[in-house]
Amino acid sequence: DQQVKQNSPSLSVQEGRISILNCDYTNSMFDYFLWYKKYPAEGPTFLISISSIKDKNEDGRFTVFLNKSAKHLSLHIVPSQPGDSAVYFCAAISSGSARQLTFGSGTQLTVLP
Amino acid sequence: DSGVTQTPKHLITATGQRVTLRCSPRSGDLSVYWYQQSLDQGLQFLIQYYNGEERAKGNILERFSAQQFPDLHSELNLSSLELGDSALYFCASSATTGDLTDTQYFGPGTRLTVL
Repeated sequence: DQQVKQNSPSLSVQEGRISILNCDYTNSMFDYFLWYKKYPAEGPTFLISISSIKDKNEDGRFTVFLNKSAKHLSLHIVPSQPGDSAVYFCAAISSGSARQLTFGSGTQLTVLP
Repeated sequence: DSGVTQTPKHLITATGQRVTLRCSPRSGDLSVYWYQQSLDQGLQFLIQYYNGEERAKGNILERFSAQQFPDLHSELNLSSLELGDSALYFCASSATTGDLTDTQYFGPGTRLTVL
């Protein structure tokens, strides 16, 4: 039972354009969401996060949008750069005393020069 | 370089064996997290320790155990190894409150191959 789903295993965009990576979740107990980036042969790197009390968080070229009613979040990268080519994971943390951290399966982003 | 170190980089062993993976967190970080990334399963959170105490538990098998020592380094012990345990094992550390929402810094991983 995948509680956090990234339905697109891969995405290709042109340099300078917008990249939109999507993530859906099923557990209504999730109250905090994160995006990580991972290059081959390295550990994941934290990118940006959002609490469920917000619907948008921006950090430079990266913006995360949260639509609670649709249980959907997205990561926008504008403008996309070749160095952004990596696997992007979304993750969610559940509220309550037994907090859980669940990752999606990842989306490979390729930014074409 | 995140400042988190993991040893060994690679480990090859046989089914039924026991191995220990080691993680040194960033200087000053009190929390250590362990993750497993297998080919078909993505990244899975295993367990978190905060200042020596278990803080959160994910999908960690009973054959696996972890601990965090007084010097804050951590070890993940995997026993009765099966072929399906072959994976990349990541350690991460964080500084702040010990909550899962703290920003985590990941090490480069240990690649375990079980033959």
